[in-house]
Amino acid sequence: GENVEQHPSTLSVQEGDSAVIKCTYSDSASNYFPWYKQELGKGPQLIIDIRSNVGEKKDQRIAVTLNKTAKHFSLHITETQPEDSAVYFCAASMGGNTPLVFGKGTRLSVIA
Amino acid sequence: NAGVTQTPKFRVLKTGQSMTLLCAQDMNHEYMYWYRQDPGMGLRLIHYSVGEGTTAKGEVPDGYNVSRLKKQNFLLGLESAAPSQTSVYFCASTYLGVNTEAFFGQGTRLTVV
Repeated sequence: GENVEQHPSTLSVQEGDSAVIKCTYSDSASNYFPWYKQELGKGPQLIIDIRSNVGEKKDQRIAVTLNKTAKHFSLHITETQPEDSAVYFCAASMGGNTPLVFGKGTRLSVIA
Repeated sequence: NAGVTQTPKFRVLKTGQSMTLLCAQDMNHEYMYWYRQDPGMGLRLIHYSVGEGTTAKGEVPDGYNVSRLKKQNFLLGLESAAPSQTSVYFCASTYLGVNTEAFFGQGTRLTVV
């Protein structure tokens, strides 16, 4: 089955700097790669996703890149703000009735 | 529109006791999921359902049972709770298929002593 590795497990950045979180997946059949943000005491919430027919997707300060050949994808957050502090999860799925497989998460701290 | 609602939010059980966690969604979603979240382990899938009356095992199904008698509800049962089942449990739902946005509940923090 699919295996998703996520790095780093913790990340601290200064406010205004950029943050990058990387994930690798094992199954080349995977075609959907979402990123979820989990704030303290809440359930995860989708922030951006990308499908395998696209190499990059951007939404304001957040972008995701996908390299299908290398089987890795990354989340980029620019101009970080204190409210970006949270746990971020990447995930991968090959579709059909095969559920998402999540990475172990990255705790991002933005220091003001 | 409440989204995904989990009941209860907190619970303490003694080893060997049983309980049922309830997940309700009002978005007419077909797919529903139960995850557990442990420190350093991310979100691990326990069981899921692709429609009313269906259930399937996920990555860590042992010690849990589920039922989906109504489309809007997905129940997670612990038959005989063990300390290893101390965790935060999240329910989620997706509209059609797994490759769409998953909506999560607020979580249930379960402690087994």
